[in-house]
Amino acid sequence: DTAVSQTPKYLVTQMGNDKSIKCEQNLGHDTMYWYKQDSKKFLKIMFSYNNKELIINETVPNRFSPKSPDKAHLNLHINSLELGDSAVYFCASSQGTGAYYEQYFGPGTRLTVT
Amino acid sequence: RKEVEQDPGPFNVPEGATVAFNCTYSNSASQSFFWYRQDCRKEPKLLMSVYSSGNEDGRFTAQLNRASQYISLLIRDSKLSDSATYLCVVNNFGNEKLTFGTGTRLTIIP
Repeated sequence: DTAVSQTPKYLVTQMGNDKSIKCEQNLGHDTMYWYKQDSKKFLKIMFSYNNKELIINETVPNRFSPKSPDKAHLNLHINSLELGDSAVYFCASSQGTGAYYEQYFGPGTRLTVT
Repeated sequence: RKEVEQDPGPFNVPEGATVAFNCTYSNSASQSFFWYRQDCRKEPKLLMSVYSSGNEDGRFTAQLNRASQYISLLIRDSKLSDSATYLCVVNNFGNEKLTFGTGTRLTIIP
């Protein structure tokens, strides 16, 4: 059983397009996250939701808009894609929002903007 | 100064050897510490949490030095399957986000 799943796994698109990445977790967790891992492998948090409420919003261009229809799903919509958006985007979830909760990551979505 | 710093490596180590990595963090208020492992083109996975008293899990030992603000990971009797990137992760109490280091790449050589 896949605990945290993401679709699509690969996404190749042209500059200026709008695209969405979907994430679902079946762990019953309350908290979900989006991370971006760039070409230098640096993993940085973008957003976090707890029970559908946004709790972390890092300095991310407003072209990126997360949406959480329920606590098992957290989607990421990106408008007007730019070359610099090319990266691997990981979704993650944890049981709670405290500092000691393990985060479980999805397999990643490799986005290439041409 | 970066919040979490690691030597990127690569560390190329013969099978069976012992290898150790350090990671330094800049925020003295940091409360929780972890080592995650990331295989090539895969997602990060928790390897172990790091407790103040130090902790061991099989061949892996993690230690925390609050005075010098660093954590370490020791791998004994290294196996080929230990080849991966090891990510040092820090969290500050009351701040929900994990801060990741850039990772240390380890390759175990037969």
